[in-house]
Amino acid sequence: EDQVTQSPEALRLQEGESSSLNCSYTVSGLRGLFWYRQDPGKGPEFLFTLYSAGEEKEKERLKATLTKKESFLHITAPKPEDSATYLCALRGFGNEKLTFGTGTRLTIIP
Amino acid sequence: EAGVTQSPTHLIKTRGQQVTLRCSPISGHTSVYWYQQALGLGLQFLLWYDEGEERNRGNFPPRFSGRQFPNYSSELNVNALELEDSALYLCASSQTGVRYYEQYFGPGTRLTVT
Repeated sequence: EDQVTQSPEALRLQEGESSSLNCSYTVSGLRGLFWYRQDPGKGPEFLFTLYSAGEEKEKERLKATLTKKESFLHITAPKPEDSATYLCALRGFGNEKLTFGTGTRLTIIP
Repeated sequence: EAGVTQSPTHLIKTRGQQVTLRCSPISGHTSVYWYQQALGLGLQFLLWYDEGEERNRGNFPPRFSGRQFPNYSSELNVNALELEDSALYLCASSQTGVRYYEQYFGPGTRLTVT
């Protein structure tokens, strides 16, 4: 069974303090690993797709990386508007649904 | 380009009642997915529709059902509501095919069962 574990559950950073969020996963065959951002009471907003180990994607202050067992979301010099819950999800072979982790709630303090 | 839309935004229902939630996918997307996000829990997969057919369902009882219309919009029906059905119900859409894996989500419908 596909599994996704995210850590930490919550993270508070000062504005400008860089850090990383972790997503550990187990899957029989990876079709894609996805990162989403979710603001309170809203639907998840798509950020990145990673398909194979060694792949990296960047968008503004965010960079996502992938290994065979983990993905990291690195946030560089964050701003208060980066505060949100970041969700990791994966899609395995023969499985159309996404399996989600429970997310990391990120708070950036001005 | 318009994103995924859902209606209504909020609903308050009484235990035992029935509810219908609606979703319109992004233009050109033929697959629609429904997820439940209960407070403190992650997103749980409910149903997947593609080309008008139910293709897969998650570990939810049969009182959760739905359909997809010829224009690819979708409805989620929940019968005999229980208190634990209170959650944010999210609809997502994607294109179909081996290259199209990203799912794009709507804003959700907040259902409260009292």
